[in-house]
Amino acid sequence: QQPVQSPQAVILREGEDAVINCSSSKALYSVHWYRQKHGEAPVFLMILLKGGEQMRHEKISASFNEKKQQSSLYLTASQLSYSGTYFCGTDWQGSQGNLIFGKGTKLSVKP
Amino acid sequence: DSGVTQTPKHLITATGQRVTLRCSPRSGDLSVYWYQQSLDQGLQFLIHYYNGEERAKGNILERFSAQQFPDLHSELNLSSLELGDSALYFCASSYMKSAFFGQGTRLTVV
Repeated sequence: QQPVQSPQAVILREGEDAVINCSSSKALYSVHWYRQKHGEAPVFLMILLKGGEQMRHEKISASFNEKKQQSSLYLTASQLSYSGTYFCGTDWQGSQGNLIFGKGTKLSVKP
Repeated sequence: DSGVTQTPKHLITATGQRVTLRCSPRSGDLSVYWYQQSLDQGLQFLIHYYNGEERAKGNILERFSAQQFPDLHSELNLSSLELGDSALYFCASSYMKSAFFGQGTRLTVV
């Protein structure tokens, strides 16, 4: 039931782009994306709802392919502040917070 | 600042002991979720309360229990603690679509 995230880790130079994928074997109601910096709480980025539109948060956007039960997070022109671990949380009950999280993708942005 | 408050921030206790973690959700949020985060297990959903009632259970051990009070704050009780219970415990609250996490309680069992 745990979604699979890929890649596990990625290192970027400032200004480069990255894509993080999240796949589920179960039909989903929504996919939530969070970023967590070391020792801090996960911070909500965006939610993708079944039948909804692609979302955007600053230069970060995401899509949700309902047929494939897959979501992708696109980080464009990465900044140093983007460094952290990105988690996707999947919800198949419509309960918003009862999320099953992937193992995370560690993103490091270097100057 | 997510608006979700957790206390204490750090807790060190011995094996076999019992501790209580406290969470105050954002103003107006009726739901409280508890998560455990450890290095090897990642973020694991424990339990969900909505307006005082238990709504869903995840990977919560029998030694753990939770409740939500009429003022909507919630407590997570961990008993007969083991070394493996050392982790970050987060609570989150949500209203419409998203869950907002508190800063967590770091529990160290020695």
